[in-house]
Amino acid sequence: TQLTQSPSSLSASIGDRVSITCRASQNIGKSLNWYQQRPGEAPKLLIHTASSLQSGVPSRFSGGGSGTDFTLTINSLQPEDVATYSCQQSYGTPLTFGGGTKVEIK
Amino acid sequence: QVHLQQSGPGLVKPSQTLSLTCAISGDSVSSDSAAWNWVRQTPSGGLEWLGRTVYRSKWYYDYTFSMKGRITISPDTSKNQFSLQLNSVAPEDTAIYYCTRMHTTGGHDSWGQGTLVIVSS
Repeated sequence: TQLTQSPSSLSASIGDRVSITCRASQNIGKSLNWYQQRPGEAPKLLIHTASSLQSGVPSRFSGGGSGTDFTLTINSLQPEDVATYSCQQSYGTPLTFGGGTKVEIK
Repeated sequence: QVHLQQSGPGLVKPSQTLSLTCAISGDSVSSDSAAWNWVRQTPSGGLEWLGRTVYRSKWYYDYTFSMKGRITISPDTSKNQFSLQLNSVAPEDTAIYYCTRMHTTGGHDSWGQGTLVIVSS
């Protein structure tokens, strides 16, 4: 299953609401996860099964969607949110990742 | 709290074998609610899943198609760890390699620290 993320990068102001989309090449139900990767660090799971917030993740992060279209939303962007965000499907093997979205502060 | 500690060389010669190990604490490699994976990140930043091992009354293995024939993931229950072997490496295998746990709830929820492996003579 191919995952296509958009945009590939974005720049927003502190406090803005930011949305990233991930489109799957086939119906994957809700088997979609989102990760945050800060420079020099390993990816960190933010959202699993499309909309479930991973323990310890701030509530300004939310996920939605099902089937082929999914969205990660950051409400009120913070400086520590500068990172690359990637989606990943766990519907079937080979497990695949999206190409990533780099989020910067304007 | 699950912790994954990776070990292995950071430099491998072309045509040789890349070997990495991931030691698990806080969970068991034989857990019936987890899968143990290897993921790599290329210099361009893309993430690629390589394969996994899973125990569900017996061991199962899944590998990405492009690696089949070159890759082996092996659990070691006596040391509570799992390993990656990638044969016949080429410069294109240069990447940061991560071990991960994927819980049945979904998502790679624990990651090793990453190992930069450079394939060069």
